Amino acid sequence: DTEVTQTPKHLVMGMTNKKSLKCEQHMGHRAMYWYKQKAKKPPELMFVYSYEKLSINESVPSRFSPECPNSSLLNLHLHALQPEDSALYLCASSQASQGGLVNTIYFGEGSWLTVV
Amino acid sequence: LAKTTQPISMDSYEGQEVNITCSHNNIATNDYITWYQQFPSQGPRFIIQGYKTKVTNEVASLFIPADRKSSTLSLPRVSLSDTAVYYCLVRTGANNLFFGTGTRLTVIP
Repeated sequence: DTEVTQTPKHLVMGMTNKKSLKCEQHMGHRAMYWYKQKAKKPPELMFVYSYEKLSINESVPSRFSPECPNSSLLNLHLHALQPEDSALYLCASSQASQGGLVNTIYFGEGSWLTVV
Repeated sequence: LAKTTQPISMDSYEGQEVNITCSHNNIATNDYITWYQQFPSQGPRFIIQGYKTKVTNEVASLFIPADRKSSTLSLPRVSLSDTAVYYCLVRTGANNLFFGTGTRLTVIP
């Protein structure tokens, strides 16, 4: 049972639309992540937030804009997407890194995005 | 970036023990080895994590030899519900997680 909640579960949007994916966790985690997963492929890391600040951007196109308004919430704003951006978008969270300690990363169930 | 290599797919009969081996030749001193399980249309689920020797929990065991260049996930007595993709990962830093290609395990009745 995941304690990372993602909404919506399914989203269909046009290439000119602006939409957002939302993620919430109440485990007190201070690191949050966005991953993208295409069918039959492994998840690909997109962004990492640590203490509400963006710490990793894996060269993601600017049509994807992450936002971390507080320690429990993570958004992914979508604008001018392409059909090839259709995928499962996974949010995850963990304790923030301290002294090199490796913490378990917990994933949500994902948001299925279809761009038409 | 430590790269992992694991078999693309495996089949096993119900009730058998399954061992999935992962190689990570350029693992760094501070890296941990982590395994995740993913069912179709669901997010990955943490299975087990270790640094060296053997780690066991209620779901699986993880065997890591002294040179740490490989690891083996052992699933005891698999059932049909264990059919999933299993990912071996080496943590390249504490706050990120890069997935390899994964092993698609199919459990046969």
